[in-house]
Parts: sequence; structure tokens; C-alpha cells
Amino acid sequence: DAGVTQSPTHLIKTRGQQVTLRCSPKSGHDTVSWYQQALGQGPQFIFQYYEEEERQRGNFPDRFSGHQFPNYSSELNVNALLLGDSALYLCASSLVSGDYGYTFGSGTRLTVV
Amino acid sequence: QKEVEQNSGPLSVPEGAIASLNCTYSDRVSQSFFWYRQYSGKSPELIMSIYSNGDKEDGRFTAQLNKASQYVSLLIRDSQPSDSATYLCAVMGGFKTIFGAGTRLFVKA
Repeated sequence: DAGVTQSPTHLIKTRGQQVTLRCSPKSGHDTVSWYQQALGQGPQFIFQYYEEEERQRGNFPDRFSGHQFPNYSSELNVNALLLGDSALYLCASSLVSGDYGYTFGSGTRLTVV
Repeated sequence: QKEVEQNSGPLSVPEGAIASLNCTYSDRVSQSFFWYRQYSGKSPELIMSIYSNGDKEDGRFTAQLNKASQYVSLLIRDSQPSDSATYLCAVMGGFKTIFGAGTRLFVKA
């Protein structure tokens, strides 16, 4: 039973560039949430996707956008990268109710230089 | 006021002792509560969930919830060096799960 798969594992980008991160949820899960985790901080909620639509969004600018595909996989796009966007980006999959908690992927470490 | 607050630690306990981790939350309509463990350089891993007031036990772990006080705690009995990690409290309200900043636990052998 495959867990949550994220790609790439590490990424280095230059300020102003755009980046796309990818996530395949755990088998049987239909909901994908994205989180940003800075060093020494807890994960910060970016948004959640269900049925190919953004269901709820955290306090992140419009530079952060996403997509969910019919097979439940998801992408996180960040435009006009800033140095402050450097962080670990975590994808979490769950059932739609969320009652059983999240299964996290191993994350994508993004460094903006 | 932060939505989910935890003492950042580090909390240091000797091997075999009970580690007590605490968390408070601000949204009274929160529905579900979770504890995740995160080892350094790894992603969070769900270890406990609790939905109603009282205690819930799973092996060496006990989660406690008091909705009136907006308080969640995690007890780890017979702490082992392998329990050394950051413990994240997470609170779900609506479609959103909010995480605390985490408490670092160090278990001394």
C-alpha cells in the first residue's frame, strides 16, 4: 500500500522564478492538503483540495496556487519566488472527513537563492 | 493569540519517566484533535487522535482532552530515547487542521 509520494525531494530556485511541486496521495485517500514548514516551526496550512477544487485556503498570497487531478494527485505552484519561500513543503492526504488525521509525504525542501 | 499553542521546550526527561506534553487551542468549535511526532529531518507521523472529552490510551501513549478548558495533552509512559522528537499538536475545525509549533522532547538514556 503506497503512502504519500512527493516530488522532487529537493529543489533550488532563484528569486522570481516559478516552481511546481507534485504529490500523489495514499491509496484510498481523496483529499490533499499542502503545508509549508519553516525550520523550527510547525506546518502552516496553505490550502486543501477535494474533488478537484480548492476547499479551504490558509493565509498565503495568490502566488501560491494548486490543482487536483481526477486521480486525486495534486500540484502546488508558487510564482515569483521570494527568499522567504524557502521551506519544507509537505503534502498530506486524508479521507474527506479528515477525522482520521493526515498521512504526510516526505516533503520537498525548497531553497530560494 | 496563536490558534494552537505549545511550549517549545526542550522538555528533557530520563529514560523510563513519564513525559507530559501540553497544548491549548483558541477555536471553541474545533472538532478533532491530533498528536503527531516529527523526527529531525523527517515528516510528521500521526500517533494519536482524540475527539471527545476524557482520556484515550494507545500503548504507552495517552491523549487527554478537555474542551471546556480548550486543552489537549499527551502523556508518554516509560519514555525511551527513541521517543526523542518534536511533538506537534494539531486541531481540526471545518476543513482546516492547524498545527502548533511543536514541543521538542529529549529522553536521556
